[in-house]
Amino acid sequence: DAGITQSPRYKITETGRQVTLMCHQTWSHSYMFWYRQDLGHGLRLIYYSAAADITDKGEVPDGYVVSRSKTENFPLTLESATRSQTSVYFCASSQGVEQYFGPGTRLTVT
Amino acid sequence: TQLLEQSPQFLSIQEGENLTVYCNSSSVFSSLQWYRQEPGEGPVLLVTVVTGGEVKKLKRLTFQFGDARKDSSLHITAAQPGDTGLYLCAGDDDYKLSFGAGTTVTVRA
Repeated sequence: DAGITQSPRYKITETGRQVTLMCHQTWSHSYMFWYRQDLGHGLRLIYYSAAADITDKGEVPDGYVVSRSKTENFPLTLESATRSQTSVYFCASSQGVEQYFGPGTRLTVT
Repeated sequence: TQLLEQSPQFLSIQEGENLTVYCNSSSVFSSLQWYRQEPGEGPVLLVTVVTGGEVKKLKRLTFQFGDARKDSSLHITAAQPGDTGLYLCAGDDDYKLSFGAGTTVTVRA
């Protein structure tokens, strides 16, 4: 029972490079979410998806792109990474109100 | 985005003591959730409260939802070192969650 997984767990990249963070869930949950967690800000919603091919912006979407061609996958792409995007990124899924989180990806942009 | 304020930001207590964490908002939520997060891991759901005035108990943890559904509290009785972690409250906004900044709880042995 894998649940929800994220890859990679750690990533170091340079300013201006494109980076894709992967998220996979095995529960067939309809909703999937991407958050970033920074000290003093808690968890902030980047993008979310209510179903395959349906995505919408959250609180902090600038600089990020998402897609959801399959229910189980929800990749997050940083098109041109900036230092301000250094953060811990969490993917979550839900079928109702309660969300289940992956283990996170720690991204450092140098 | 609906703002949730948690207090205190940090809490350090001795094993066996009690503690309370507060979560307040000016907005009404249809439900409110509490999560606990340990270093290097994702948040894990502890409880969901739905009804105004609702009280839920999970072993030594007691969760309360305010009558007006704008605030909540988490009370831990006889805290243990295993209770150490970041406690997050989150309000439900049409399947999206708005999170508080969290309360870091440290229980010293």
